[in-house]
Amino acid sequence: QSVLTQPPSVSGAPGQRVTISCTGSSSNIGAGYDVHWYQQLPGTAPKLLISGNSNRPSGVPGRFSGSKSGTSASLAITGLQAEDEADYYCQSYDSGLGGSRVFGGGTKLTVL
Amino acid sequence: QVQLQQWGARLLKPSETLSLTCAVYGGSFNDYFWSWIRQPPGKGLEWIGEIHHSGSTSYNPSLKSRVTVSVDTSKHQFSLKLTSVTAADTAVYYCARGTGLVAARFWYFDVWGPGTLVTVSS
Repeated sequence: QSVLTQPPSVSGAPGQRVTISCTGSSSNIGAGYDVHWYQQLPGTAPKLLISGNSNRPSGVPGRFSGSKSGTSASLAITGLQAEDEADYYCQSYDSGLGGSRVFGGGTKLTVL
Repeated sequence: QVQLQQWGARLLKPSETLSLTCAVYGGSFNDYFWSWIRQPPGKGLEWIGEIHHSGSTSYNPSLKSRVTVSVDTSKHQFSLKLTSVTAADTAVYYCARGTGLVAARFWYFDVWGPGTLVTVSS
């Protein structure tokens, strides 16, 4: 069971907007630690999508955006495209048990 | 452009020691944390541990008793050893670069290796 909770799956039609939530607690997201998001296409290594809650690295389309509030964070994808079908993971830091970087369980995005 | 290349034994028997190495090509080696992350087949990502070029390390508490991450700065390489493996350690193991602008607890992984599938089976 992951420290950060994500929905197992979300779906949307091309052109639509979808959001993926990442729920934590007072020892991670709620403690003020940043949330980062990764996209993993089938059979490939994860790729950094959003850093520091809402920052897009160079090359990441503006359709992807991140936000954080309280003990949760969200990844939003607008203008959904077929190539966005992938697994998405959130990541943060948890101060419990001596401290550890932690990931969410991952969300499978299906483009209908 | 920074690239990570990793290698190591891909098939182990239970109780053996997993050993992987990751080489860093391009860019600075000294300004980052170098991490290991794994992904069991069909499952999510799990952070294993990391090392700074200075040698300071940090490990996942759930694996700490079995994990050692080491660094060879002269070769721009870092390595993972995981002892007493079982079938539960079967996973794709990724090496990754940790970076950020503020305190290390806020850092993230911006460059990843291709991954190595390590299978533990008798």
